[in-house]
Amino acid sequence: GESVGLHLPTLSVQEGDNSIINCAYSNSASDYFIWYKQESGKGPQFIIDIRSNMDKRQGQRVTVLLNKTVKHLSLQIAATQPGDSAVYFCAENQGGTSYGKLTFGQGTILTVHP
Amino acid sequence: DAEITQSPRHKITETGRQVTLACHQTWNHNNMFWYRQDLGHGLRLIHYSYGVQDTNKGEVSDGYSVSRSNTEDLPLTLESAASSQTSVYFCASSDTSGPSYEQYFGPGTRLTVT
Repeated sequence: GESVGLHLPTLSVQEGDNSIINCAYSNSASDYFIWYKQESGKGPQFIIDIRSNMDKRQGQRVTVLLNKTVKHLSLQIAATQPGDSAVYFCAENQGGTSYGKLTFGQGTILTVHP
Repeated sequence: DAEITQSPRHKITETGRQVTLACHQTWNHNNMFWYRQDLGHGLRLIHYSYGVQDTNKGEVSDGYSVSRSNTEDLPLTLESAASSQTSVYFCASSDTSGPSYEQYFGPGTRLTVT
């Protein structure tokens, strides 16, 4: 089946900078998208999600943008901190019979330098 | 507080042995999922369940089985462990109500097959 992918496998930023992590998806029927953060040795943790009827959603220091025209998803982290260093995954629900299921991308490693 | 736990956290077994990984959630979620995580592949779905007595195959189900006898538990069994099944295994659960497909993840089980 179609799956979510990422443009950049690694991203290095300085503390205080803004980070942008990108994700491409190929299934135009996908109706829900989610970002997870995974720290070393731990399970993925929810960051933010967005439904396909929206193009932007904001949380605390994070913003998710959805561009359905080009099937692109991004996660913006403002004022990145060393504690943001982790692997970030995007995932999608592909709609239809995929109820409740998420298809994950390969992940982007974010490293924040003090 | 509600949580999702996995046991054991680490397991070493020999090729050909049967292994069962436990997953227990106290969220009272109907949906439960098992994933494996390998470098370069992100999270791949093994099996999932939408409720008691319901089980479904994911994209990498060969060599694995699950059973759902109650809401809280979804044990994953490797019928005859193979070296290719060396991986980190994550269990997750989600609610059927509401607009979110957010999955709550356990801490993972690192399985080594020698």
